Amino acid sequence: GDSVTQMEGPVTLSEEAFLTINCTYTATGYPSLFWYVQYPGEGLQLLLKATKADDKGSNKGFEATYRKETTSFHLEKGSVQVSDSAVYFCALIRTGTASKLTFGTGTRLQVTL
Amino acid sequence: EAGVTQSPTHLIKTRGQQVTLRCSPISGHTSVYWYQQALGLGLQFLLWYDEGEERNRGNFPPRFSGRQFPNYSSELNVNALELEDSALYLCASSGDSYTGELFFGEGSRLTVL
Repeated sequence: GDSVTQMEGPVTLSEEAFLTINCTYTATGYPSLFWYVQYPGEGLQLLLKATKADDKGSNKGFEATYRKETTSFHLEKGSVQVSDSAVYFCALIRTGTASKLTFGTGTRLQVTL
Repeated sequence: EAGVTQSPTHLIKTRGQQVTLRCSPISGHTSVYWYQQALGLGLQFLLWYDEGEERNRGNFPPRFSGRQFPNYSSELNVNALELEDSALYLCASSGDSYTGELFFGEGSRLTVL
């Protein structure tokens, strides 16, 4: 079945540091890939997405590139802020099917001053 | 525009009891998804409803059930509660089940004693 594997957290960084959160997937066919973010006390919200190979999703300074050859969708940000502290979830859905999102286990990011 | 709303926000039950959680989707959204977020386990897919019908079900026992009403709101019922049912239950809605773009509520936190 479909699955998503994320690096374990927590990840602790100082403000303005570079962020990478690794995500790899296993899926039949060519899925669409997503990053969702959950800020403290809130529900999840979509951060960015990519629907085909080599697509780059970006939002709020975060980026992720869909790499079919390595089945990866790593999340990056050049300079994190304290307000980026949250739990980040990588997810996939099979393209072209009305289906459910499959999520990774989430990676907690803590940014300190 | 109102987002996805869930009720109750917090509740405490004892083993063997039953609980009903409620979700109102974003206006115009016909799909509702339920996920369980237990500590350290990420988001586990429970149920997906669309146009009043159950479309998909996750790997949970039959004591987890639900329904979707004509106004597209939804209920999640859990019978014979067990300690491991303690979790945050997240509801999400979508206007298009093919896109993977879900809008989440803030969740109902269930504690089973």
